Amino acid sequence: GESVGLHLPTLSVQEGDNSIINCAYSNSASDYFIWYKQESGKGPQFIIDIRSNMDKRQGQRVTVLLNKTVKHLSLQIAATQPGDSAVYFCAERKGNAGNMLTFGGGTRLMVKP
Amino acid sequence: GAVVSQHPSWVICKSGTSVKIECRSLDFQATTMFWYRQFPKQSLMLMATSNEGSKATYEQGVEKDKFLINHASLTLSTLTVTSAHPEDSSFYICSARDGLAGDNEQFFGPGTRLTVL
Repeated sequence: GESVGLHLPTLSVQEGDNSIINCAYSNSASDYFIWYKQESGKGPQFIIDIRSNMDKRQGQRVTVLLNKTVKHLSLQIAATQPGDSAVYFCAERKGNAGNMLTFGGGTRLMVKP
Repeated sequence: GAVVSQHPSWVICKSGTSVKIECRSLDFQATTMFWYRQFPKQSLMLMATSNEGSKATYEQGVEKDKFLINHASLTLSTLTVTSAHPEDSSFYICSARDGLAGDNEQFFGPGTRLTVL
C-alpha cells in the first residue's frame, strides 16, 4: 500500500554540523506533512509542518523542504546539538482522510560531541 | 497549552488480564482522539480513530473486541486491552485534536508502556 518511508535509518553527525533527514512519500494526494521528534520512552513532539502548496518552511534552526515532483521531504537541522539526538519521523496526511496521519519508518539521529 | 496526558505511563500485567489506558486533553476539547501502537524501533501505527460520542473507527487488522475504545467526553478517551497477551506488549500513544477550533494539528500524549508477562 501507499506509505511514507525514509532513506537512512541512522544518521550520525558531529556537534555543530548541519543534519539532513530525508523522507520519501508515495501518496500524491497528501496535502500536509509534519516532522516529529521522539525521544526514548516519550511521545512524538511536533517540530515543523508544511502544506503541499509550499516548498520550503523555516523554523528555529530547522527547515523543511518539500519536492512534490519527486515526492520527497527533508528536515534540515542547523548547528546540530546533543539535545537533537532522537528519532525523527515524517508524517503525511491525505486531504480527505479525516486528519489521519501516516508515519514514516523513522531515522535515528546521533550527535557526537 | 495543548497538553495531552496518559495514565499510566507504564504498566505490567499478567497474561489474560485486561488493562485500561487513559488519554486526557488537559486544556482543550478533544473532538477526535487517535490511538497508536509502536513496537520497539518501529514507527507509530494507527490503531483507531475516535470521535467524541461515537464509536471508534478501527484500522484494518486491529481487533475492535480486543482493543476497546471509549470516548465519552471531550477530554477523555480510554483504550482497554482485553485478555492481554505477551504479543500485545508495546508502547501505546494517543493524540488529540480540537475540531471545534478548526485545528487540524494532533497533540500527542507521552505514551504508555505495556508489558504483558
